[in-house]
Order: sequence, then C-alpha cells, then structure tokens
Amino acid sequence: QVQVTQSGAEVKKPGDSVKVSCKISGQNTYSYGISWVRQAPGQGLEWMGWISARRGDTKYAEKFQGRVTVTADPSAGTGFLEMRGLTSDDTATYFCMRDTPVQIVPLRDFLVGPWGQGTRLTVSS
Amino acid sequence: EIVLTQSPATLSLSPGERATLSCRASQSVDIDLAWFQQKPGQAPRLLIYEASKRAPAIPARFSGSGSGTDFTLTISSLEPADFVIYYCQQRNEWPFTFGPGTKVDLK
Repeated sequence: QVQVTQSGAEVKKPGDSVKVSCKISGQNTYSYGISWVRQAPGQGLEWMGWISARRGDTKYAEKFQGRVTVTADPSAGTGFLEMRGLTSDDTATYFCMRDTPVQIVPLRDFLVGPWGQGTRLTVSS
Repeated sequence: EIVLTQSPATLSLSPGERATLSCRASQSVDIDLAWFQQKPGQAPRLLIYEASKRAPAIPARFSGSGSGTDFTLTISSLEPADFVIYYCQQRNEWPFTFGPGTKVDLK
C-alpha cells in the first residue's frame, strides 16, 4: 500500500525560503511522479508543479515559474518543494500527491494519489 | 492554461436527495477529468478519474459523466458524510488545473 508522508509545519518570515519534503513509501521508487498543490486558508486547491522521479522532468504553473523548484531523490523515495521570496500570500497548506510518472499526458488508467497529510506554512513578520 | 468552472458554488440539499455538480472546461479536455472530495481538515481524495471511472473503494452512489468541456458528478442519494467540498481537475494538458470547488451543505 502506497503511503505519502510530508514534513512538519513551518513558520517563516517574509523574504525567507522554505523546503518541504514528501516521502512516498510502498511504491517502486522510479514509477511515480509527484505533484504539489497548495490551499490557502478557506480557499480552493491550486496546482503548483510536478516532477517525474525517474527522469527529473518538471512542469510548473506559470504563476510559480522561477520562484518554486521541485526536485526528487528517487533513491530515498522523496520529493521536495522549495519556494523562495515568501510573502504573507504564501501562507497555506501545501500538499503533495503521487502523480503521473511521465511528462507525456494524458496518461490513461492511472490512479492519482494518495495525497500527503499536508504541510502548513505560515509566513509572518 | 485550461480554466475550469464549477457550478453551483454551493448546493444546499437534504440527506437522501440527489446531488448534481457541474464542471465546465474552457477548452476540450477529452475524458481527462478527475473529481476529488475534501473533508474539513483533510487532504482531498480521488473519487472519479477519466470522467466516469470510480476509484477503488468509492461507493457506487458516486458517478461521473461527460467529455470534452462539460462534466457532471452525481451523488445519487446523499449521506451525512457527503456534505463537504468537491473539486474537479483536468489532466489533459499541463499545467493541470483545478476548478474552484462546489460545497454541498445541509439545507
């Protein structure tokens, strides 16, 4: 059974950077990708980016291009989300989820998920 | 990027009633649309993928339909645990995008 576990809550100041981790266990290390999704308090889901663990291919939402970097260490079954130049608008819960392993989409007959439990990020001076 | 619109924003119903949630895409996404359910304080979970396929362990009262730009999630008979928020996501092209969500609440 695949399990997804994220790192703990973070409190940062404006201008800081943050790096969140996402460990996927119970899965062939190379046959997955990881998507990152955030949710501001009381708001909807916002897709941020994706990485293929096997090839390291990445995709980003235009809004986050250049400020967010997603990486992966397949040997550790772990993905990372790094975000720089934090502002109060980045206060949100950040989720990772197991996602398509390949860059070519659509990928049919693929069950996205499970999701991690979420990492709460608070940005405040 | 593909923009998804969900309607209504809030659906007020009673247990046992039928819920019909809509998701519309700004351009065709073929059948590459998923539905997620999110309960308060929890991560979302997959209900439906490829527009109409139920994910494992999802009750049969949940069904999805549609293709191209118009999609529907139907809950045939609402149970108390179903009064939460539902999101659609297109997975046809990058960037994957979510709709704004529909909240199903108690009338």
